[in-house]
Amino acid sequence: SQELEQSPQSLIVQEGKNLTINCTSSKTLYGLYWYKQKYGEGLIFLMMLQKGGEEKSHEKITAKLDEKKQQSSLHITASQPSHAGIYLCGALSSTGTASKLTFGTGTRLQVTL
Amino acid sequence: EPEVTQTPSHQVTQMGQEVILRCVPISNHLYFYWYRQILGQKVEFLVSFYNNEISEKSEIFDDQFSVERPDGSNFTLKIRSTKLEDSAMYFCASRTAYANTGELFFGEGSRLTVL
Repeated sequence: SQELEQSPQSLIVQEGKNLTINCTSSKTLYGLYWYKQKYGEGLIFLMMLQKGGEEKSHEKITAKLDEKKQQSSLHITASQPSHAGIYLCGALSSTGTASKLTFGTGTRLQVTL
Repeated sequence: EPEVTQTPSHQVTQMGQEVILRCVPISNHLYFYWYRQILGQKVEFLVSFYNNEISEKSEIFDDQFSVERPDGSNFTLKIRSTKLEDSAMYFCASRTAYANTGELFFGEGSRLTVL
């Protein structure tokens, strides 16, 4: 079965600093999703990457997919307290139409003032 | 903005009792999923559902679990005889027909506590 490893497991950064979260898959990536979760709440979709080399940005968050390395990174520029939460990467298990997402272990981000 | 809604938000039950968690997926979506998250652990896949039948299920989804789409709008997860280890947050999710090109929308979750 596919395993996703996220690093770091937790991160404390000062407001205004940049940060990067990595997600590495044990198997071929058919699509990679990034979600944000606040403690005890639902998952908020951030972005989806499908092709090797693809890069997407939304506000101050940028995600890239390195298909060869079976890896994705999420970069936050000039972090704000609103960025605090748990970031989850999720990978599609196949190209099948009902393909499920397998999630990583999560990275807990705290942003200090 | 369309959203996946789940009820109840929190349910407390006694071990051995039956529980039904309800979900209303987004109206034009065709693929439905249940995931669970035990406190402090990963979000885990339970089951996927398409065209009124289970597409895939995980090892967690044993005979104590069942899913149903009783009408055109609801999607339910039933646990027949709850165990302590079923205590978790259960998330429903749905996506459009273009399954691998679009967002998988999640509900806010139903927290189940088994005593």
